[in-house]
Amino acid sequence: AQSVTQLDSQVPVFEEAPVELRCNYSSSVSVYLFWYVQYPNQGLQLLLKYLSGSTLVKGINGFEAEFNKSQTSFHLRKPSVHISDTAEYFCAVTPTGTASKLTFGTGTRLQVTL
Amino acid sequence: DVKVTQSSRYLVKRTGEKVFLECVQDMDHENMFWYRQDPGLGLRLIYFSYDVKMKEKGDIPEGYSVSREKKERFSLILESASTNQTSMYLCASSNEGLAGNTQYFGPGTRLTVL
Repeated sequence: AQSVTQLDSQVPVFEEAPVELRCNYSSSVSVYLFWYVQYPNQGLQLLLKYLSGSTLVKGINGFEAEFNKSQTSFHLRKPSVHISDTAEYFCAVTPTGTASKLTFGTGTRLQVTL
Repeated sequence: DVKVTQSSRYLVKRTGEKVFLECVQDMDHENMFWYRQDPGLGLRLIYFSYDVKMKEKGDIPEGYSVSREKKERFSLILESASTNQTSMYLCASSNEGLAGNTQYFGPGTRLTVL
């Protein structure tokens, strides 16, 4: 079985500051990793995903994440956040070779203020 | 663009009622999923379906059933609603095969059971 830990339930940050949202996972098999974003009153949408290849993955809206196999982490970063980035962010994993059953973390609420 | 629609954004039901939540996708996806989202718990998989008339239990299937009679439609059924089923319900779909395929989410149905 897989598990995902997002240690920070809330991250307050000022506009134009950098941000890192942390994600650690546990799995006995190889996994694919995802970050989804949920804006207020909306469903989730994919920010980025790591399947293979370069460990630095770039996504939409200026976000990027780095897969670190030795530390079993997949932290999400943005060098300069905007008010519109205020949302909840979910990290998720799925074992490779299965029918894309995702296991989600508990989410991190990013609150961007002026 | 992939579109996943859910029949209601908000729903209020009474304890003991039978509740149907409907989900429709327009991208001919084989896989469809039902999750519930609760604060501090993230998203938890209730059921998923990888083909018409096929279903598989997720992590929290108790108290729920599903129906998939047509490829584009996946229904979640609460046979006898209870107050602990008050939650946000999210439907998603994805292509078959690769575990790395993106899941596309609907906007969610916020169900309140009184």
